[in-house]
Amino acid sequence: GDSVTQMEGPVTLSEEAFLTINCTYTATGYPSLFWYVQYPGEGLQLLLKATKADDKGSNKGFEATYRKETTSFHLEKGSVQVSDSAVYFCALTHQLDDMRFGAGTRLTVKP
Amino acid sequence: GAVVSQHPSWVICKSGTSVKIECRSLDFQATTMFWYRQFPKQSLMLMATSNEGSKATYEQGVEKDKFLINHASLTLSTLTVTSAHPEDSSFYICSARLESSYEQYFGPGTRLTVT
Repeated sequence: GDSVTQMEGPVTLSEEAFLTINCTYTATGYPSLFWYVQYPGEGLQLLLKATKADDKGSNKGFEATYRKETTSFHLEKGSVQVSDSAVYFCALTHQLDDMRFGAGTRLTVKP
Repeated sequence: GAVVSQHPSWVICKSGTSVKIECRSLDFQATTMFWYRQFPKQSLMLMATSNEGSKATYEQGVEKDKFLINHASLTLSTLTVTSAHPEDSSFYICSARLESSYEQYFGPGTRLTVT
């Protein structure tokens, strides 16, 4: 079945550092890919998405490119802020199917 | 747009009692809603999928008689944890999907503590 694998955390960075959180997937066909962010005590918020190969999703300085050849959707940000501290989930879904989540990666950004 | 609310945001109940959690899509109609459970520092685990007007589909290992799901309207789904026990303590998150769309919109979650 479909699955998502994320790099294990936790990840601790200094403010303004470069961020990469790796995400790879296993799926048949062409799923849609997502990154969600969860702040402490809250639900999930959609950060960005991509629906087909080579699409780049971007939001709030975060980017991820749908790479079919490497089955990856790595999350990047050029300069992280303390306010980016949260748990990040990579996810995939096929049309109208349930969503599959990665294990989540906890990011802590220190001033 | 596409806002999903949950009520209550947190609840404490005694062992053996039942607790109802509501999930509402505020500005759209959702034919399908999902219920997830999240343990501390872990990912979301899908519990069940509910479709308006029909019985919920439960994931393997989830007790349907313990976790009662009702999706009575296009904007409301409820999860009732019956005869709650301390091991049911968790963070419960719902999501709603627009008809014929792959995107899910998540509620803020409900933290349940059973004492």
